[in-house]
Amino acid sequence: GQQLNQSPQSMFIQEGEDVSMNCTSSSIFNTWLWYKQDPGEGPVLLIALYKAGELTSNGRLTAQFGITRKDSFLNISASIPSDVGIYFCAAAGGTSYGKLTFGQGTILTVHP
Amino acid sequence: ETGVTQTPRHLVMGMTNKKSLKCEQHLGHNAMYWYKQSAKKPLELMFVYSLEERVENNSVPSRFSPECPNSSHLFLHLHTLQPEDSALYLCASSQDFRRGGTDTQYFGPGTRLTVL
Repeated sequence: GQQLNQSPQSMFIQEGEDVSMNCTSSSIFNTWLWYKQDPGEGPVLLIALYKAGELTSNGRLTAQFGITRKDSFLNISASIPSDVGIYFCAAAGGTSYGKLTFGQGTILTVHP
Repeated sequence: ETGVTQTPRHLVMGMTNKKSLKCEQHLGHNAMYWYKQSAKKPLELMFVYSLEERVENNSVPSRFSPECPNSSHLFLHLHTLQPEDSALYLCASSQDFRRGGTDTQYFGPGTRLTVL
């Protein structure tokens, strides 16, 4: 089946640093999504990407849909303590009928 | 109220109990989903409903029984669960559910279920 390989699995950074995480797959997708999940809560959509090569920003967050349609990255600039959480990539439009495939998540810890 | 809501937020039940989880979406979407999230595992899709019809059942044990009475409401009926069923159960909705679709899913806050 389709899989997303998300890396890194965890990151420990200082407040103010920039963060970069990515997802790769051997399959082609039509949509890449990035979610953030706080403890005990559901994932919240951060950025949605619908076109290969698309670069989209949401405040301090920037994400890109890889030109090969097999990968995506998420950057967070000037991290702050409330950026702490688990970040998931998800992709849709491959061989799975309308379903989302999720990455394993990146656990982000920000030290003040 | 907007978005996707779930009740209860926390549930503790014994293995012989029967309980139900409720999800409601206020987004005018046509598709709704149940996911299971266990510690250190990717999200697992359980069921998908499109226009109130079940279109996906990912080999989920029969002790989990979904119900979708209309496009805004989704239930998950639970009976004779096992301790390993303890997890965060997430509901999501999207505009539509279609092949190769680009429909973004929006999640509820989840129900934290503990089975004793």
